[in-house]
Amino acid sequence: SYELTQPPSVSVSPGQTASITCSGDKLGDKFASWYQQKPGQSPVLVIYQDSKRPSGIPERFSGSNSENTATLTISGTQAMDEADYYCQAWDSNTSVFGGGTQLTVL
Amino acid sequence: EVQLVESGGGLVKPGGSLRLSCAASGFTFYNYDMNWVRQAPGKGLEWVSSISSTTRYIYYADSVKGRFTISRDNAKNSLYLQMNSLRAEDTAVYYCARVTNSGYDSWGQGTLVTVSS
Repeated sequence: SYELTQPPSVSVSPGQTASITCSGDKLGDKFASWYQQKPGQSPVLVIYQDSKRPSGIPERFSGSNSENTATLTISGTQAMDEADYYCQAWDSNTSVFGGGTQLTVL
Repeated sequence: EVQLVESGGGLVKPGGSLRLSCAASGFTFYNYDMNWVRQAPGKGLEWVSSISSTTRYIYYADSVKGRFTISRDNAKNSLYLQMNSLRAEDTAVYYCARVTNSGYDSWGQGTLVTVSS
């Protein structure tokens, strides 16, 4: 079965750039989405189709996807961006999530 | 405003059954594929099942295949998940989520299912 691998945790200082990776076999041939989840809340879509932002998502969130790795980049990271982030892609009619990355802003 | 409201969660013994519901509003329900996604306590997101807008296509994760059944009633703007032969490892918050070309663009608040004796 298809798997997506994320680092368990990433730390970033306020105002700096955070990058969260998601690896999967030929992931670049699929569309990747990214979800933000804060404690006690439902996930929120922050990036879809590799690099597009839904309305209401700040411009500091961006994404890319090439070959075997999708990357979520948060520029000028703010304290409010501290959350868990999950990548997701579709493979053979099944939805696959990465294991999640806890982003700490300190 | 798109709203998805899950219900039906609770405490159930191993081997028991439970039926989850998801009431949709604020959009044309019958135009959208829908999914169930779950999250065990302290763990990540796990896809459970998908159903197409017309119910023609239905898919399940291997972990629930043969035990769970997804369905929908487009006249009632509702999505369901019938869960049988429940196991401790099915304990999770269950979310219904709307599927678009943009991914899962709307999520419910989730309903907690606890399987324990």
